[in-house]
Amino acid sequence: RKEVEQDPGPFNVPEGATVAFNCTYSNSASQSFFWYRQDCRKEPKLLMSVYSSGNEDGRFTAQLNRASQYISLLIRDSKLSDSATYLCVVNKPGTYKYIFGTGTRLKVLA
Amino acid sequence: NAGVMQNPRHLVRRRGQEARLRCSPMKGHSHVYWYRQLPEEGLKFMVYLQKENIIDESGMPKERFSAEFPKEGPSILRIQQVVRGDSAAYFCASSPLPGTGIKGNQPQHFGDGTRLSIL
Repeated sequence: RKEVEQDPGPFNVPEGATVAFNCTYSNSASQSFFWYRQDCRKEPKLLMSVYSSGNEDGRFTAQLNRASQYISLLIRDSKLSDSATYLCVVNKPGTYKYIFGTGTRLKVLA
Repeated sequence: NAGVMQNPRHLVRRRGQEARLRCSPMKGHSHVYWYRQLPEEGLKFMVYLQKENIIDESGMPKERFSAEFPKEGPSILRIQQVVRGDSAAYFCASSPLPGTGIKGNQPQHFGDGTRLSIL
């Protein structure tokens, strides 16, 4: 089983739609979780950290489900500019390493 | 610009030459990570460094690749005798001292990357 696993997509959604991605992780001892956004041929940019209680930033909501070992990202009212690859990142317990998922590609269509 | 600075943005080398990639972390950050990304693939961890120390180099190829983060100056990722397969985007990220965040590890912040092309 991969340490961090994401559906590669692409998810093609119309503008204004709500879309959700999940990311599963294999090590139950992981404590730190993040979502990054990466545009084509650009660097990953931090979108949001994921906290145990769940957190929201504008149209974006992140959730953590420890029992099932997954995190989720919900995007409401999708914009064309949301088109990107969304990377799930999880810390590797006992190390200072961060494990990146291969990303989920989102395309928001006009 | 107080962000992570990488240079050069693009680097072209012929097979057998050396490539040197530089990274200056964000101000106040003492930890540097190097990643490699092949086209259409995810980020692969290479090495994690603090000032003057390599903490984890488990993702580095055993030969031709080395990294350093001297007391003064940027972190350097060095690739000797480059081959075509080394062509990739190399990203550097920095973070504050891990584990010092209120809720676990601090996130990493990335530089713009260096696109290495081998002719």
